[in-house]
Amino acid sequence: QKEVEQNSGPLSVPEGAIASLNCTYSDRGSQSFFWYRQYSGKSPELIMSIYSNGDKEDGRFTAQLNKASQYVSLLIRDSQPSDSATYLCAVNYGGSQGNLIFGKGTKLSVKP
Amino acid sequence: DAGVIQSPRHEVTEMGQEVTLRCKPISGHDYLFWYRQTMMRGLELLIYFNNNVPIDDSGMPEDRFSAKMPNASFSTLKIQPSEPRDSAVYFCASSGTEPYGYTFGSGTRLTVV
Repeated sequence: QKEVEQNSGPLSVPEGAIASLNCTYSDRGSQSFFWYRQYSGKSPELIMSIYSNGDKEDGRFTAQLNKASQYVSLLIRDSQPSDSATYLCAVNYGGSQGNLIFGKGTKLSVKP
Repeated sequence: DAGVIQSPRHEVTEMGQEVTLRCKPISGHDYLFWYRQTMMRGLELLIYFNNNVPIDDSGMPEDRFSAKMPNASFSTLKIQPSEPRDSAVYFCASSGTEPYGYTFGSGTRLTVV
C-alpha cells in the first residue's frame, strides 16, 4: 500500500528560526512531490513542488528531495507567526494526475 | 480566475437526508477530484474525473455516495442517505494534465446530526 508519512507534531519554533518538516514515502516509483500549507479552517494551498533530487528554493522555502532514501523535506527560513499552519506532503505515485497521496500533515507553530 | 468554486460552504442535515455538494473547476483544467478530510484519516481521495469521465472511484466509501460530472464546468457529489459518520470537510480540486499539483476549492463542511 502506498503511504506518505509525516510527524503530526506540533512542531514549535521561535520566530526567526528555521523550521524543518519531513516526509517519507513508500514507493520508489514516485515522480512528483508537493508541499501544501493549510491554515485552520481553510483549504490546502500549494506552496512548493519538486521533481528531481536535490534542493529547490523559493523565497524563504526550500524543498529537498532524496529519492534513494525516499525522503522529502521542507525548510522554512526566518519563520514568522504567519507560517503557523499544518503542512501536508503529497506524493504522485504514477504518471497520471490521479495518483496523488497526501500525508496527514505536520502542525507548525511559530512563537513570537 | 475565480479558482475552484464549491457550494454550499456549510451544510447541516439530519441523518437519512440526501445531500448534494457542488463544484465548478478552474476553466481549462481537465482533471477534477473529490476529497474528504477528517482529523482521523486526513485527506482521502473519493473519486476523480478526467475530461468529465470518472477514472477511479475506489475511494468512494459505499453505494450511498455517487458523483457526476455532466460537463467540464460542473460536478456534484451526492450522499443518499446521509449518516453521522459522513460528517467531514469535502474538498473539490482541479488540475491540468501535467503533475503540477492541484488547486483546491474552499470546501464544504458537512455535519449530519
